[in-house]
Amino acid sequence: QQQVKQSPQSLIVQKGGISIINCAYENTAFDYFPWYQQFPGKGPALLIAIRPDVSEKKEGRFTISFNKSAKQFSLHIMDSQPGDSATYFCAASGSGNTGKLIFGQGTTLQVKP
Amino acid sequence: GAVVSQHPSRVICKSGTSVKIECRSLDFQATTMFWYRQFPKQSLMLMATSNEGSKATYEQGVEKDKFLINHASLTLSTLTVTSAHPEDSSFYICSARAPGNIQYFGAGTRLSVL
Repeated sequence: QQQVKQSPQSLIVQKGGISIINCAYENTAFDYFPWYQQFPGKGPALLIAIRPDVSEKKEGRFTISFNKSAKQFSLHIMDSQPGDSATYFCAASGSGNTGKLIFGQGTTLQVKP
Repeated sequence: GAVVSQHPSRVICKSGTSVKIECRSLDFQATTMFWYRQFPKQSLMLMATSNEGSKATYEQGVEKDKFLINHASLTLSTLTVTSAHPEDSSFYICSARAPGNIQYFGAGTRLSVL
């Protein structure tokens, strides 16, 4: 019940294309869903996050879509750039579990020029 | 976003020595910090939750006597890897919980035990 399942494991997209990464969760007590971007040898950086009271959040080229009934959320990267090549992690947490983040398995994105 | 400073970024030590890693939240007070371990090409594995002024809560399978955590102030948590061995070589990352339950991560520490 604490798992967050992320797919795909790896993704190759042409420059200018749309990158889509999906996550699914089981615990309905989760109320915070962040996405992190991690470059090799660096710590994860918070990219964008959503709470279940909205179905979509957009920040620049990054959009989270959230489907509460399906218990799924996804990250869309519009106009993907080579600089977006990194590993992306979705995560979930609930206010009742000390704020511990449950991470997905990660998606390695490669954007080809 | 908020800044979490982690130091050192890389450490190489001999087997049997102890190594201390510091994690500081620079622009907010963090009653809760977290310590993670990450193996190559894998996700982050939570090791322990560090609570200011109280004992850390360790995840199942993590040796609390091996990985000592101290959270003596609202802006500093430390992880000490005691009597390090080559199998402890890994990438260690801390995070600090900001208001709104948002976690900000440090840059990580690459530990290599010879």
